[in-house]
Amino acid sequence: AQSVTQLDSHVSVSEGTPVLLRCNYSSSYSPSLFWYVQHPNKGLQLLLKYTSAATLVKGINGFEAEFKKSETSFHLTKPSAHMSDAAEYFCVGGVSGGGADGLTFGKGTHLIIQP
Amino acid sequence: SQTIHQWPATLVQPVGSPLSLECTVEGTSNPNLYWYRQAAGRGLQLLFYSVGIGQISSEVPQNLSASRPQDRQFILSSKKLLLSDSGFYLCAWSTSQTSGTYNEQFFGPGTRLTVL
Repeated sequence: AQSVTQLDSHVSVSEGTPVLLRCNYSSSYSPSLFWYVQHPNKGLQLLLKYTSAATLVKGINGFEAEFKKSETSFHLTKPSAHMSDAAEYFCVGGVSGGGADGLTFGKGTHLIIQP
Repeated sequence: SQTIHQWPATLVQPVGSPLSLECTVEGTSNPNLYWYRQAAGRGLQLLFYSVGIGQISSEVPQNLSASRPQDRQFILSSKKLLLSDSGFYLCAWSTSQTSGTYNEQFFGPGTRLTVL
């Protein structure tokens, strides 16, 4: 079995400051991990994915995430927040062999950007 | 490139009325297809998924049903809506799983359903 835990339900940062959204996973197997962003009343958009090729993954819009097996973490970061980054962010994990229904979604982190 | 469409974008229906939401995918063949529901302030709940025409797996017992009449068409239905069916419904697709990795899902724009 696997689980994905987003450690913060809300994160508030000022525009231009760094962003850190935390995600821990629990899995007996090497996972595939993803970060998605959802703006209000929109679908989820894939930011980046980790599939064991490289531990530091770069995504769209300046986001990146680092897979740390020793810490079972996959935190999402961005050096400088922009007002347009305000949205809901989901950390998602999938286990190889878990079947078509094998994705596990975190509960989401609401990112607030202060002007 | 691949695109995924959902309609309608918004829907307001009375309790007890039927429901039909449609999702279509373009630019790919034999995708895995998914229906999710997102209640207000909640995460995503997988409702149904399909790995092929006529193959539907249900994750949550409820008064909803799904069908896949064509390779790239996925329909979510109900004969009688309940108040608790209100929410944001998302369709997604992915390619079939390859060994050692789990393929990402690509989401449609969603349908906001309000049951009154």
